[in-house]
Amino acid sequence: KAGVTQTPRYLIKTRGQQVTLSCSPISGHRSVSWYQQTPGQGLQFLFEYFSETQRNKGNFPGRFSGRQFSNSRSEMNVSTLELGDSALYLCASSRTTGVHSPLHFGNGTRLTVT
Amino acid sequence: DQQVKQNSPSLSVQEGRISILNCDYTNSMFDYFLWYKKYPAEGPTFLISISSIKDKNEDGRFTVFLNKSAKHLSLHIVPSQPGDSAVYFCAASATNDMRFGAGTRLTVKP
Repeated sequence: KAGVTQTPRYLIKTRGQQVTLSCSPISGHRSVSWYQQTPGQGLQFLFEYFSETQRNKGNFPGRFSGRQFSNSRSEMNVSTLELGDSALYLCASSRTTGVHSPLHFGNGTRLTVT
Repeated sequence: DQQVKQNSPSLSVQEGRISILNCDYTNSMFDYFLWYKKYPAEGPTFLISISSIKDKNEDGRFTVFLNKSAKHLSLHIVPSQPGDSAVYFCAASATNDMRFGAGTRLTVKP
C-alpha cells in the first residue's frame, strides 16, 4: 500500500511569490492534515480537510489556504511568501476524522524562501 | 501557545541503557496521547499511544506512562539501540484538535 506522497520534495521561492504544495493520501484515507515544522517549534497545525471540507484550522494567517479534491488529494497554497515561511511542510492522512487515529505522514516539502 | 511541551531538546544515551523522553501538557481536555518518531528527510511515523483512561501502555521495547494529575507523560525505551536515534515528538489529542511538542532529539551511542 503506497504511503502519503508529497510533491515537490524541495522548493525555492522568492519573497512575495506564491507556492502550491500537493499531497496524495493513502488510498482509502479521507482526512488530510497539513503541518508546518520549523526548528524548535515542533509541528504547527495548519488545517484539516475531510470529504473536501475544511474541518479545522490552526492559527496561521489567511495567506495559507488549502483545498481537498473528490479523490481526497489535497493542495496547500501560500501567497505573498515571507522569509519566515521557510519550513518543512508535512501532510498527514488518516482514515477518518474526529477520532483518535494515528496520522500517517508524508516525507514533506522543504520550502526555502529567499 | 505551547499546550504540549518537550523541555529537553536533546538526549544522549548509551546503547543498552534506558532512554526516557518527557512531555508535559496544559490542556486538561486532551484525552489521547501519541508518540511519533522522525528520521532525517522522512515524515514522522507513529510509535505508540495511550488513552487517558490508562496510565501505562507497552509495545515491545517502548512503554508510555501517563500521569494525568501532573499532566505529564513519558516514553521509555529499553534497551536503547543505535537505530532509535531520531527526533521524538509527543502529541496530545482532543476531539478535532491535535497538538505536538517541539521534539526531543535522541542519540543512542554504540
